[in-house]
Amino acid sequence: EVQLVESGGGLVQPGGSLRLSCAASGFTFSSYWMSWVRQAPGKGLEWVADIKVDGSEIYYADSVKGRFTISRDNAKNSLYLQMNSLRAEDTALYYCATEWDLHLDHWGQGTLVTVSS
Amino acid sequence: EIVLTQSPATLSLSPGERATLSCRASQSVSSYLTWYQQKPGQAPRLLIYDASNRATGIPARFSGSGSGTDFTLTISSLEPEDFAVYYCQQRSNWPIYTFGQGTKLEIK
Repeated sequence: EVQLVESGGGLVQPGGSLRLSCAASGFTFSSYWMSWVRQAPGKGLEWVADIKVDGSEIYYADSVKGRFTISRDNAKNSLYLQMNSLRAEDTALYYCATEWDLHLDHWGQGTLVTVSS
Repeated sequence: EIVLTQSPATLSLSPGERATLSCRASQSVSSYLTWYQQKPGQAPRLLIYDASNRATGIPARFSGSGSGTDFTLTISSLEPEDFAVYYCQQRSNWPIYTFGQGTKLEIK
């Protein structure tokens, strides 16, 4: 069974940093592109970033480009999101998800990031 | 950027009724349109991919249709567990994923 477990969320001040992790199990992690998607409280879904199986291709939404960095460690079956220069509008539940053929087929339960002073 | 517009924003129906949800793209996405279901407090779940293919484990009462710019998600006979928010999504204009704003399907 595919399992994705996010961690690392919390309360951070504007301008601060946070590193999210996603632990994967139940599938061959190194064979899947992976994404981060976020959802602000009471709002819709927003794709944040994704990374190719070997990390050789990475893409970001314009809203986070230059501030967030996605990475992965296939040996540890883990996905990461380093978030710097955080803003109030980055407050959201952050999901990691597997990608297959232009869609997101398995999702974690999310980790909450709150940016507030 | 391709914009996805879902309608209606809220749909009020009773169990047993047929639900029809719409997703319109600002330019053609061919058949690369995906639908997700999200229940309160839960992560989204993949329902339909490539406009009309049901994901693993999705009941046959869910069906998708359309191509180009106009897509429809149909639930043939609503079950109590189907009341949720539904999102469409595309990645036709690589590499950006975009989502529609969602349709809330509520019990009448």
